[in-house]
Amino acid sequence: AQTVTQSQPEMSVQEAETVTLSCTYDTSESNYYLFWYKQPPSRQMILVIRQEAYKQQNATENRFSVNFQKAAKSFSLKISDSQLGDTAMYFCAFMKPNAGNNRKLIWGLGTSLAVNP
Amino acid sequence: GAVVSQHPSWVICKSGTSVKIECRSLDFQATTMFWYRQFPKQSLMLMATSNEGSKATYEQGVEKDKFLINHASLTLSTLTVTSAHPEDSSFYICSAIPGTGENIQYFGAGTRLSVL
Repeated sequence: AQTVTQSQPEMSVQEAETVTLSCTYDTSESNYYLFWYKQPPSRQMILVIRQEAYKQQNATENRFSVNFQKAAKSFSLKISDSQLGDTAMYFCAFMKPNAGNNRKLIWGLGTSLAVNP
Repeated sequence: GAVVSQHPSWVICKSGTSVKIECRSLDFQATTMFWYRQFPKQSLMLMATSNEGSKATYEQGVEKDKFLINHASLTLSTLTVTSAHPEDSSFYICSAIPGTGENIQYFGAGTRLSVL
């Protein structure tokens, strides 16, 4: 069974600085998707970034980028130029893409990020 | 991105009554929808997977008769909490996957249920 581990329950960063959130996972699958979702105080879950395992290039979305190390089963999220609006819970998640109607997300426990002014 | 609407955002009900929560995909057809429960400062706990036109698949430990799920169309799934009790008070979130094979779950804004 797949598992997702986020080893940092809480982190903080100063505004405009860079922070990296860690995520490791365990799977025997060769093809899968990895996600970072953000849940701000409003509790609306927002997709930050997605990585397809068969793509070697790390995904990037504006200030958000990932360091995907498939062999090490590591999927960290880097937030550059942190903004106050980045304050949120960040969840790492795993999905098997070809599971038909059963494309569940396997979730990490989350990292609470506080961006300080 | 795709938009998922969840209604109501907050509901208060008396113990013993039933509450229905709606989840709609507004600009796409969703063959699969998911229902989650989230406790404060915790991760999401999957309750069930809802497929259009078929019975929902419940996760182990989730009472089927307590949490009724209906996925009647490609844009609507409902969760009914029957005979609600205070221990059912929680934050419930739905998500949907487009039928285009996009492999992304899009989330509703969640429903806070308070049972008195």
